[in-house]
Amino acid sequence: EAGVAQSPRYKIIEKRQSVAFWCNPISGHATLYWYQQILGQGPKLLIQFQNNGVVDDSQLPKDRFSAERLKGVDSTLKIQPAKLEDSAVYLCASSMRQRHSYEQYFGPGTRLTVT
Amino acid sequence: DAKTTQPTSMDCAEGRAANLPCNHSTISGNEYVYWYRQIHSQGPQYIIHGLKNNETNEMASLIITEDRKSSTLILPHATLRDTAVYYCIATGGSNYKLTFGKGTLLTVNP
Repeated sequence: EAGVAQSPRYKIIEKRQSVAFWCNPISGHATLYWYQQILGQGPKLLIQFQNNGVVDDSQLPKDRFSAERLKGVDSTLKIQPAKLEDSAVYLCASSMRQRHSYEQYFGPGTRLTVT
Repeated sequence: DAKTTQPTSMDCAEGRAANLPCNHSTISGNEYVYWYRQIHSQGPQYIIHGLKNNETNEMASLIITEDRKSSTLILPHATLRDTAVYYCIATGGSNYKLTFGKGTLLTVNP
């Protein structure tokens, strides 16, 4: 079974530029998550999709971050304009959304450096 | 989700059992205890979970106290590849999200 795919793996941009990350979840997984992980901290949920609808985006900085999951499969996360504090690893995860199951499958992440 | 408390770091000798504690004294009756680990430069990986009873799988064992206020993840024969940050999460929300803390950095030494 193929895992969660993410690209690019690394990205370096200057502040005020824009950047986009792509995620392809495990086939058949209805729920998709984007997390931000700052160095030395645990992952923080940014947005959660159920199929192509947003379940939770309470911690997404909506003035600069946006995400979409068209057709309920792939997803993109965009930052525009980027700030220095956006330097982090952006993780995508997916799950089957089974009752009483909190098992999520994570991709390798995209490491963003904003200079 | 209930707050969890874990030691910042622990060391273990290769081949010995690694016992990682987690305190979740405010856990509610319908919340599960989940453990994930994150090896350097990789995404988190699910290890095991439990509600009341002790659980065992091919990776680890989970011991939950009778009052459910704490738990211990046991890696029976730690290897160098088990060096990672281990996260203990107490969760049971209907939105199926995970709230990660800082976890415990387990270093397995040769």
